[in-house]
Amino acid sequence: DSGVTQTPKHLITATGQRVTLRCSPRSGDLSVYWYQQSLDQGLQFLIQYYNGEERAKGNILERFSAQQFPDLHSELNLSSLELGDSALYFCASSAKRGGLNTGELFFGEGSRLTVL
Amino acid sequence: AQSVTQLGSHVSVSEGALVLLRCNYSSSVPPYLFWYVQYPNQGLQLLLKYTTGATLVKGINGFEAEFKKSETSFHLTKPSAHMSDAAEYFCAVSDNGNNRLAFGKGNQVVVIP
Repeated sequence: DSGVTQTPKHLITATGQRVTLRCSPRSGDLSVYWYQQSLDQGLQFLIQYYNGEERAKGNILERFSAQQFPDLHSELNLSSLELGDSALYFCASSAKRGGLNTGELFFGEGSRLTVL
Repeated sequence: AQSVTQLGSHVSVSEGALVLLRCNYSSSVPPYLFWYVQYPNQGLQLLLKYTTGATLVKGINGFEAEFKKSETSFHLTKPSAHMSDAAEYFCAVSDNGNNRLAFGKGNQVVVIP
């Protein structure tokens, strides 16, 4: 158990709809990362938040957005869904030791999104 | 931007034989390098990492990897495969430990009894 919790584990929805994926990081971790895993693209970094603020953006579509709340949980919002958005969405959190990044991410089990 | 290349999406290995998974990276600054493992229906778990110092790093479950700067490689090995090693393995790189990992396509390892 990594300590990172993601809900829901599975989600089936239709094209054009909007969904929200939720992530609770490990206790004490301030950074949250979202990744998308698909068969054709592999694991792609989407976005990072640190202590409530957006820190970095990767290959995230404009239809997607995220936020991190004061209690440090994060939500990834996916809107106007297309068939190609079907994928496994991972959340990860990371810690710092002595103020430095350890380089290690702790991953949740993922939310599998199926768009029909 | 940093990137990782893993060749051979599927790798079959006999039980007891050497496991060798190749990883080559591209990075404009000294890299942090990682190997993660993903078991079915689970998230990714860190096997081992290289940040600085000793270039041969040992990880969990008997795996080890060697950082070779001249070859821009970070190949993963295990001397003797076990059935429980069947999983997908990902190599990843980050620039100076910013934690924004770039992953390779992964290697699906099948262990043959």
